[in-house]
Amino acid sequence: QKEVEQDPGPLSVPEGAIVSLNCTYSNSAFQYFMWYRQYSRKGPELLMYTYSSGNKEDGRFTAQVDKSSKYISLFIRDSQPSDSATYLCAPGGVSGGYQKVTFGTGTKLQVIP
Amino acid sequence: GAVVSQHPSWVICKSGTSVKIECRSLDFQATTMFWYRQFPKQSLMLMATSNEGSKATYEQGVEKDKFLINHASLTLSTLTVTSAHPEDSSFYICSARDRGQVHGYTFGSGTRLTVV
Repeated sequence: QKEVEQDPGPLSVPEGAIVSLNCTYSNSAFQYFMWYRQYSRKGPELLMYTYSSGNKEDGRFTAQVDKSSKYISLFIRDSQPSDSATYLCAPGGVSGGYQKVTFGTGTKLQVIP
Repeated sequence: GAVVSQHPSWVICKSGTSVKIECRSLDFQATTMFWYRQFPKQSLMLMATSNEGSKATYEQGVEKDKFLINHASLTLSTLTVTSAHPEDSSFYICSARDRGQVHGYTFGSGTRLTVV
């Protein structure tokens, strides 16, 4: 079983739709949870991070963590064509004495104008 | 914000040659940098952790003699792919964490390596 499972998509939605991106994880040692956005042929960029169960909102983006079920989500409201990218969930924690981040496979999102 | 510069953006090399990829933290000091490899439609896979002034820590299954990592200063880490083969063709990305960031890693823009 992979430590982090993420549906690769692709996910295609019309502009203005609410998008829900999800990941599950198996390692209880994960302490913080990040979402990265990666445009084609570019390095990932950090969108949001949280380290507790519950919701964290930043503009049109909401990150949600449920540690009891090991489930993390990213919601995008009023999606825009510029949101078209691959979104990677990335839980992290201490492993072998140093901080380590494990990436999901990424979900490719396409927002159609 | 923290910026990590990675060069080159893409490189094509002949099989058997070596390729060096540089990763620089431009406005912060990075005692630790990370090197990832990403195949198409796959996740970022951590290859090694580069520590300034000491040997890199390689993940299981990564050949340390093939992927040479040097972290000679607090702002520069290099990855050298030695005796490259077509199966080494991939997208290589470095990342680093600014001490000022609680969490979150800044990534370079990646290097697309094609071995022919």
